[in-house]
Amino acid sequence: QQQVKQSPQSLIVQKGGISIINCAYENTAFDYFPWYQQFPGKGPALLIAIRPDVSEKKEGRFTISFNKSAKQFSLHIMDSQPGDSATYFCAAIGVGSNYKLTFGKGTLLTVNP
Amino acid sequence: DAGVIQSPRHEVTEMGQEVTLRCKPISGHNSLFWYRQTMMRGLELLIYFNNNVPIDDSGMPEDRFSAKMPNASFSTLKIQPSEPRDSAVYFCASSLGTGNTEAFFGQGTRLTVV
Repeated sequence: QQQVKQSPQSLIVQKGGISIINCAYENTAFDYFPWYQQFPGKGPALLIAIRPDVSEKKEGRFTISFNKSAKQFSLHIMDSQPGDSATYFCAAIGVGSNYKLTFGKGTLLTVNP
Repeated sequence: DAGVIQSPRHEVTEMGQEVTLRCKPISGHNSLFWYRQTMMRGLELLIYFNNNVPIDDSGMPEDRFSAKMPNASFSTLKIQPSEPRDSAVYFCASSLGTGNTEAFFGQGTRLTVV
């Protein structure tokens, strides 16, 4: 059972464009939703995270939009740069999942120069 | 702090052999996670420990896999006997607690079973 569904699997964007990655979850007991960024040969690293009591969180060019009623959240990367090329994972964690950090399957983002 | 340290970085072994992966979490972190990453299945949580105690091992694929955390600064993931389908990148991660805190990942161990 996949508790966090992520789309698309891969995404190609031109430099300066907007990258959008979507996730949906099933377990309403999740209460923390981080996004991780992974470069080849490295482990995932926390990029930005949101709690369900807010609908949006912005850090620089990265924004999370959260829709609690629809159980969906998304990552927007504004002014995408070639250095943003990486795999992005959405995740969810909460008391209802026994605090297991559950990941989506990832999105391979390629930003062309 | 050097971050989460995993060893070895790469491991090639023959089918049937025992494989031991090692992890040193960040000092002061009391939660430790083992993940397996493959193209097909993404990042799968195998097991996690809190204060050195296994809390949830429901992700361990079968009895060939075992994990231990004898103290706060060391954990092992053992596969015995190994099979080609175990080939993957295994990550260890640690965090300050079981709550909503950041998990820090190591560089991973790329395991190839031939």
